[in-house]
Amino acid sequence: AQTVTQSQPEMSVQEAETVTLSCTYDTSENNYYLFWYKQPPSRQMILVIRQEAYKQQNATENRFSVNFQKAAKSFSLKISDSQLGDTAMYFCAGYYGGSQGNLIFGKGTKLSVKP
Amino acid sequence: SQTIHQWPATLVQPVGSPLSLECTVEGTSNPNLYWYRQAAGRGLQLLFYSVGIGQISSEVPQNLSASRPQDRQFILSSKKLLLSDSGFYLCAWSAAYNEQFFGPGTRLTVL
Repeated sequence: AQTVTQSQPEMSVQEAETVTLSCTYDTSENNYYLFWYKQPPSRQMILVIRQEAYKQQNATENRFSVNFQKAAKSFSLKISDSQLGDTAMYFCAGYYGGSQGNLIFGKGTKLSVKP
Repeated sequence: SQTIHQWPATLVQPVGSPLSLECTVEGTSNPNLYWYRQAAGRGLQLLFYSVGIGQISSEVPQNLSASRPQDRQFILSSKKLLLSDSGFYLCAWSAAYNEQFFGPGTRLTVL
């Protein structure tokens, strides 16, 4: 079965500190893509970062980076220098192939950045 | 650049009334289109997706339906709303069969 699992329903971090959100997945495909989406209180889903499975190098976007462990099927998101605006729900998602382009989403982690 | 619009932004409807939510995409051709529902504090549930005009696939059987009358227009409908239809509805598009880009969403309350 193709799945995405986020085991941390809620997390908190102090402003300016670093936090890591966990995500594990399962698929038998060799070529796939993984994503982290952010949903702030406005509720619009925003793509934060993507990782192609065939790339060994971890993706980085400014303060956001991933730790992609393909053998362990782990895809964690690290947020450095946390800011108050990072407060949001974070969803991990995977695309495992197919012409319809369906993503499989985790249930999300609610991150609170405290001043 | 591509943009995606949804309207209305918020909607309050009585039980048993009809529903029509609209989603349009600009700046791209032949996108894959998706409707999701998100209940309060929960994850996303894929309702429908479309790979072309008139092509609709349903993920969850329910009293909702979807249509794609034009290449970049996706409509979510219901003939009679239920209380359980309340939620936040998100439309999304993708062009490369992987990453999806989301609209601002519609908050639906059924009373």
